[in-house]
Amino acid sequence: DAKTTQPNSMESNEEEPVHLPCNHSTISGTDYIHWYRQLPSQGPEYVIHGLTSNVNNRMASLAIAEDRKSSTLILHRATLRDAAVYYCILRDIRDDKIIFGKGTRLHILP
Amino acid sequence: GAVVSQHPSRVICKSGTSVKIECRSLDFQATTMFWYRQFPKQSLMLMATSNEGSKATYEQGVEKDKFLINHASLTLSTLTVTSAHPEDSSFYICSARGPPWGHEGYTFGSGTRLTVV
Repeated sequence: DAKTTQPNSMESNEEEPVHLPCNHSTISGTDYIHWYRQLPSQGPEYVIHGLTSNVNNRMASLAIAEDRKSSTLILHRATLRDAAVYYCILRDIRDDKIIFGKGTRLHILP
Repeated sequence: GAVVSQHPSRVICKSGTSVKIECRSLDFQATTMFWYRQFPKQSLMLMATSNEGSKATYEQGVEKDKFLINHASLTLSTLTVTSAHPEDSSFYICSARGPPWGHEGYTFGSGTRLTVV
């Protein structure tokens, strides 16, 4: 499986933007970039996904580098409820499975 | 939005007994569901892929006779932990891809915390 690298943890202040980086230098042309987050004692929650172009939805934005070897999840205005573990995952379009890495634990400071 | 309902949310059982966990897609059909487990402070580990009407596909190192998966309908998959032991205590999570009209991501259940005593 193509691998992703994320910082173990990050901190941000409430009501400020958060940029969560992800490196995926071995990404292939058939890999989608997915982001999920997991709040304590809950199942993961879909955040956003993309292939080549930047994507926006009501939760976040996904900025994908031109060479696709890295991406950044952007939370435009963090709240305390955004404190979670954020997982950046590559999913091959030919395969249904998604494999989780270690993720980034995001702490939001009030 | 799409919902995957998982029951029970929490279960305590005695060592040697079996426990069944249900995973239902409430408003869409899921031909494929996935089962994960998660130990404290660790990431999710994929255990198996559950296919409606056929045998599950297990990941390497996962005992298929211990973790029985049944996907009898397009909306229900079950995981039975047989002859549970304390080392099977974990957080078990199911997921399904879909719904088709949605974001093409995966929807996860809320998880089942299994404690074997």
